[in-house]
Amino acid sequence: QVQLVESGGGVVQPGRSLRLSCAASGFTFRNYAIHWVRQAPGKGLEWLAVISFDGRNKYYADSVKGRFTISRDNSNSTLYLQMNSLRTEDTAVYYCARFLQDTAMIGPLEYWGQGTLVTVSS
Amino acid sequence: AIQMTQSPSSLSASVGDRVTITCRASQAIRVDVGWYQQKPGKAPKLLIYAASSLHSGVPSRFSGSGSGTDFTLTISSLQPEDFATYYCLQDYNYPRTFGQGTKLEIK
Repeated sequence: QVQLVESGGGVVQPGRSLRLSCAASGFTFRNYAIHWVRQAPGKGLEWLAVISFDGRNKYYADSVKGRFTISRDNSNSTLYLQMNSLRTEDTAVYYCARFLQDTAMIGPLEYWGQGTLVTVSS
Repeated sequence: AIQMTQSPSSLSASVGDRVTITCRASQAIRVDVGWYQQKPGKAPKLLIYAASSLHSGVPSRFSGSGSGTDFTLTISSLQPEDFATYYCLQDYNYPRTFGQGTKLEIK
């Protein structure tokens, strides 16, 4: 079955960096665009970034543009989110999520990971 | 960025009630909206896509409608497992944007 497993979360000081990973299994990873979405404690969902199936196209939310970088390794079925210059407001659970349709950059998010918690605090 | 204004932010209802949640987009977005259900401590789950298409495995008491700027999610007869938070998400363009969420609570 389709699985997305995030890792790499933890406690980090403001201004530091962290890299999250999302390990995929149960489907042909290289055929699907993948998103990152986050949720601050007690708050709503916030879309962050997406990367196309081949890694050529990337889009970001304004709140993270220039600080976060999405990337992927299709040979290892893994998605990444490099987070630099972290702020206290980046504290959240970070989810990766897969599109319903393969190769598409449009449409709904069908499968989600369980999330990884990032806490930015001094 | 397109703004998705979701209402109400919270809603109290009883088992068996019919409830409706609304999302309004700041510009026309065809039918490019999905609805998601989230329970505490869990990842969101896709319920409806393309405004009115029921995702596989989702009970038929869930339905969606709308086009352009106004969209609704309706639960025809609330079941105990439906008490959760619901979000709309526009997938018309990037950046994608969620509604603020509607917390559905037991009356």
